[in-house]
Amino acid sequence: NAGVTQTPKFRILKIGQSMTLQCAQDMNHNYMYWYRQDPGMGLKLIYYSVGAGITDKGEVPNGYNVSRSTTEDFPLRLELAAPSQTSVYFCASSYSKGDTEAFFGQGTRLTVV
Amino acid sequence: KNQVEQSPQSLIILEGKNCTLQCNYTVSPFSNLRWYKQDTGRGPVSLTIMTFSENTKSNGRYTATLDADTKQSSLHITASQLSDSASYICVVSSDSNYQLIWGAGTKLIIKP
Repeated sequence: NAGVTQTPKFRILKIGQSMTLQCAQDMNHNYMYWYRQDPGMGLKLIYYSVGAGITDKGEVPNGYNVSRSTTEDFPLRLELAAPSQTSVYFCASSYSKGDTEAFFGQGTRLTVV
Repeated sequence: KNQVEQSPQSLIILEGKNCTLQCNYTVSPFSNLRWYKQDTGRGPVSLTIMTFSENTKSNGRYTATLDADTKQSSLHITASQLSDSASYICVVSSDSNYQLIWGAGTKLIIKP
């Protein structure tokens, strides 16, 4: 009963490097989300997807890209990492739209130096 | 602007004591309000959901209230335990879109 699985758990990037944060869910949820959580702030939505092949921007999409080729996977791509992208990233999924319960992964703590 | 504000920012209480966390929101139109618990280093986990017509809902030692007129919610924890140490986040959903508006959370520390 894995739920939402994120990898890696920790990562340090140099400015200008790129990386992909992986997210997979085994609950057959259509809706998937990527959030970032900065210290003392509420979660900010980066991108979301309502099903395979469909993605849309959230509140803070700049500097990120996503794809959704399958129901299970929703990777987040960081291109040209910047110090402002230092944060904790959470992937989540839900059965239905945003007002239903979201199930979260354990998070990825990313530091850009 | 849609906002969710939580107070206090942090709270330290002794094990066995009760506490109440507050959430005020300005989200409109309102769909529901959910309280999440986030343990250190983990993702948030839903505790309870409050819809427009609900005033009070209990989940074990957790009791949530909602006053839709004043746009306030509270989470009351009874007989606190060490395992209650976590951040508690209030999230409000708007009817109009998929957007969730997240509060910054209250960091609760239970001391033995």
